[in-house]
Amino acid sequence: AQTVTQSQPEMSVQEAETVTLSCTYDTSESDYYLFWYKQPPSRQMILVIRQEAYKQQNATENRFSVNFQKAAKSFSLKISDSQLGDAAMYFCAYRDVGNEKLTFGTGTRLTIIP
Amino acid sequence: SQTIHQWPATLVQPVGSPLSLECTVEGTSNPNLYWYRQAAGRGLQLLFYSVGIGQISSEVPQNLSASRPQDRQFILSSKKLLLSDSGFYLCAWSAEVQGHQPQHFGDGTRLSIL
Repeated sequence: AQTVTQSQPEMSVQEAETVTLSCTYDTSESDYYLFWYKQPPSRQMILVIRQEAYKQQNATENRFSVNFQKAAKSFSLKISDSQLGDAAMYFCAYRDVGNEKLTFGTGTRLTIIP
Repeated sequence: SQTIHQWPATLVQPVGSPLSLECTVEGTSNPNLYWYRQAAGRGLQLLFYSVGIGQISSEVPQNLSASRPQDRQFILSSKKLLLSDSGFYLCAWSAEVQGHQPQHFGDGTRLSIL
């Protein structure tokens, strides 16, 4: 079974600095999808960024980028120029091709220090 | 644009009472629909998903059930709630069965069982 591990329950970063959130996963599949979701205090889950495993290029969305290391089964999220609005729980998620199920990690709570 | 509505936002119910949480999606046809539960400080656990009217897949055994009476309506139910049913319930939809499309979440329902 696929598993997703986020080893950092909490992280903090100074406003305007850069922070990296870690995620590792376990799978025997060669093709799959990876996602980072953000859950602010409002509790809504918001997609931050996604990566297709067959793509070697790391995904980027404005201040958010990933470091996808397929061999190491690692999928970290880098947030540049951190802003107060980035404070939230961040969840890493995995999905097999052809499978409806999203497997989530336990999350990392990110605090932004003004 | 597509929107997802989930209600109620908060619910307090006594043990043994029935439950009905409703989720509707607008602006898309034949979405995949999902119910998740998030326990305090934990990640999301997939409870049910549906790829079409009347088609329900259950991920975990429990005293909850789901139904999809209409294309864009997904209902989570229970005949008799348990204390362990407390949590935050999120409904989500996605556009494709086997694509890399992300899931889009509703605002969630906080369920407290007394």
